[in-house]
Amino acid sequence: SQKIEQNSEALNIQEGKTATLTCNYTNYSPAYLQWYRQDPGRGPVFLLLIRENEKEKRKERLKVTFDTTLKQSLFHITASQPADSATYLCALEGSARQLTFGSGTQLTVLP
Amino acid sequence: GAGVSQSPSNKVTEKGKDVELRCDPISGHTALYWYRQSLGQGLEFLIYFQGNSAPDKSGLPSDRFSAERTGGSVSTLTIQRTQQEDSAVYLCASSSRRGGETDTQYFGPGTRLTVL
Repeated sequence: SQKIEQNSEALNIQEGKTATLTCNYTNYSPAYLQWYRQDPGRGPVFLLLIRENEKEKRKERLKVTFDTTLKQSLFHITASQPADSATYLCALEGSARQLTFGSGTQLTVLP
Repeated sequence: GAGVSQSPSNKVTEKGKDVELRCDPISGHTALYWYRQSLGQGLEFLIYFQGNSAPDKSGLPSDRFSAERTGGSVSTLTIQRTQQEDSAVYLCASSSRRGGETDTQYFGPGTRLTVL
């Protein structure tokens, strides 16, 4: 069956460090992968999309990698700030051509 | 230029009652999705509308759940004879997806449903 796994439910890091979040998937052949941010009491907000033929994509302090051989995406936040604290979700398009979301990783950046 | 809106923002109901949740997508977006998110959990897909095509209802958990989309715009999710396990945040999203385009979704703030 298709499965999306995101690393550990919660991740705490010190301000200024780089946060690295992992998204692993099985039984998908996605043409692209997306990352979303969700704050408490709000809907998810789109951050980045990376296509299968792209190894890396950057946006300001964010960097996403996509390894279709390992079936893994890494999401990095450099020079992290307390305002980056949120839950981060990865999402893939499945066989039904709908986005399926991982359960998310809750990131806390400590001042 | 407004984003996706949902109403009500909060709904408290008694077990056995019916509820209707409303979603106003971004104007011009052809695709509309409903998800459910229980406390501390991920997004659970419920139903997907794309243009005038028949909706994909594969995620609806029971026949107590139904949704419609009138005129290709506003959507209503109806839960009949609510149960306590229906308590969750119901999120709506829309996208401008057409054909083989990527499906970047824009979410509303959600409706928090509490069934007593």
